Amino acid sequence: GAVVSQHPSRVICKSGTSVKIECRSLDFQATTMFWYRQFPKQSLMLMATSNEGSKATYEQGVEKDKFLINHASLTLSTLTVTSAHPEDSSFYICSARAPSESTDTQYFGPGTRLTVL
Amino acid sequence: QKEVEQDPGPLSVPEGAIVSLNCTYSNSAFQYFMWYRQYSRKGPELLMYTYSSGNKEDGRFTAQVDKSSKYISLFIRDSQPSDSATYLCAGLRSGNTPLVFGKGTRLSVIA
Repeated sequence: GAVVSQHPSRVICKSGTSVKIECRSLDFQATTMFWYRQFPKQSLMLMATSNEGSKATYEQGVEKDKFLINHASLTLSTLTVTSAHPEDSSFYICSARAPSESTDTQYFGPGTRLTVL
Repeated sequence: QKEVEQDPGPLSVPEGAIVSLNCTYSNSAFQYFMWYRQYSRKGPELLMYTYSSGNKEDGRFTAQVDKSSKYISLFIRDSQPSDSATYLCAGLRSGNTPLVFGKGTRLSVIA
């Protein structure tokens, strides 16, 4: 299957700082990437849909000025959590669309665990 | 009504059992259906992908889709303790749209 990487896998930061998370499709070009967050023992919650070269589409209730998404190339999307606070501590996961002649599905990265002190 | 309904469990079975995981969906626009497996503190891993009604088999896993009743299933044969994870079903309208997930079923396979 297609491979999606995320960096860093884990980050601890102080309240008020900004954190950037990278999502890369390693062996395919992803015109569309998605960002999710997941709290312990809960399901994935979609934050935004990111299309290469255009502005991200945010889900209702997600602050676009706080969660900045950039999809500057077909293999890289970044999520920046600005002025992070303890309530932003969560597991952030990206996925990338991998279309082919026979399939059209999405593959997930391994996730980034953010802890804000 | 949520677009994809899934019993969150937990489901506990003995090693070697056949596991049946099920979801129902309400959105007729879904074209594709997936099953993902998620281990604790990891990203979801794609297990099975189906497009049309019918069965698809891959090793110990069989995915089943019945579009007439809007019902999707995942069967795991000869279950192993390593199968213990949360299983997520998902529907997809088209590639540019986000997956719509069920809540996930937590499975424990006891040795």
